[in-house]
Amino acid sequence: SQKIEQNSEALNIQEGKTATLTCNYTNYSPAYLQWYRQDPGRGPVFLLLIRENEKEKRKERLKVTFDTTLKQSLFHITASQPADSATYLCALKPYGQNFVFGPGTRLSVLP
Amino acid sequence: DVKVTQSSRYLVKRTGEKVFLECVQDMDHENMFWYRQDPGLGLRLIYFSYDVKMKEKGDIPEGYSVSREKKERFSLILESASTNQTSMYLCASSLSGSAKNIQYFGAGTRLSVL
Repeated sequence: SQKIEQNSEALNIQEGKTATLTCNYTNYSPAYLQWYRQDPGRGPVFLLLIRENEKEKRKERLKVTFDTTLKQSLFHITASQPADSATYLCALKPYGQNFVFGPGTRLSVLP
Repeated sequence: DVKVTQSSRYLVKRTGEKVFLECVQDMDHENMFWYRQDPGLGLRLIYFSYDVKMKEKGDIPEGYSVSREKKERFSLILESASTNQTSMYLCASSLSGSAKNIQYFGAGTRLSVL
């Protein structure tokens, strides 16, 4: 069956460390994958997109990798800050299908 | 900035009531979507629309219908609300033909059906 998972429901890290969030999928043929940030009481906000033929994308302190062999995307936040605390969602766009969202990982950056 | 506005942040309804959730976007986007978000399940697509008066079923359309009479407005209708429709409902819009297909979301409507 088709499935998309994010490695943990919640992740706590110390300020200044690198946060790494994982998104795994099975039985999809992805065209690309997106990462969104969602704050409490708000809708998700787009952060980054990475295509199936790309290995890595960066935007300021954010980095996304995409390994279609492992069927996995990693989302990194370097030099994390308390303001980075939020829920992060991965969204997969398979060929010929609508977007599929992961359940999210709630990140807490502790001062 | 794109703005997607959902008419209500919180709604409390009784079982069997007909419920309307309204969504308006101000960026002339062709595509509009309705999702529900439940803990541990992620966002699940209920219905979407690529044009005025056009609608397509998503992954969980049962118990819902939609209306798109104007390009900027997409309404979700619960014909007869049930307790298992208690959830967070999110509306989104996106630009057709965009290479990135970024979806812009509203703040959500938290619906409780008693």
